[in-house]
Amino acid sequence: AAGVIQSPRHLIKEKRETATLKCYPIPRHDTVYWYQQGPGQDPQFLISFYEKMQSDKGSIPDRFSAQQFSDYHSELNMSSLELGDSALYFCASSLDPMNTEAFFGQGTRLTVV
Amino acid sequence: GENVEQHPSTLSVQEGDSAVIKCTYSDSASNYFPWYKQELGKGPQLIIDIRSNVGEKKDQRIAVTLNKTAKHFSLHITETQPEDSAVYFCAASRAGGTSYGKLTFGQGTILTVHP
Repeated sequence: AAGVIQSPRHLIKEKRETATLKCYPIPRHDTVYWYQQGPGQDPQFLISFYEKMQSDKGSIPDRFSAQQFSDYHSELNMSSLELGDSALYFCASSLDPMNTEAFFGQGTRLTVV
Repeated sequence: GENVEQHPSTLSVQEGDSAVIKCTYSDSASNYFPWYKQELGKGPQLIIDIRSNVGEKKDQRIAVTLNKTAKHFSLHITETQPEDSAVYFCAASRAGGTSYGKLTFGQGTILTVHP
């Protein structure tokens, strides 16, 4: 079965650089969530989209922005990167926000040096 | 906002034994409680979930129970196998309204099953 696809899988950036993470949800899923997971930590909710509109916002820094496109894929844009942004970034998708069964991608490991 | 507490943080069992992980939540409006298994370097994998209108759900060797009054839910794994070794996360969410299903996770339990 098709799963959530994230790219790239690994990314190394220097401080103050910009990074763009991409997420392709499971086909027919119109809801996308972004989570950040630090080493040894639980995933923390960043932001979500439903039908290309932002539906909820969590602890996402102002330096980060995201959007969902017409084909339902989503991109997380991260600017002025800091060492503390090093983490695993997961995207999850669900059939709709009421369905709530969220399926996660394999994640993007971002390392800021 | 929602707060989810998970215990224990580590759990070590012998193959064939049972394992139980417990979580409590704070928001009485939460109505969906999934459990995820995360292996090293991989994304969380949904293994079982329960909704607030159900008290117990079972799928082969795993089961989840929910006590809405006490606001706690538990994961039970029977006949554990070495491949069950992973980090397990509980989570809670509130479908509907403005929450749109965002998950609040527990701190995770590192389960080790010794052959």
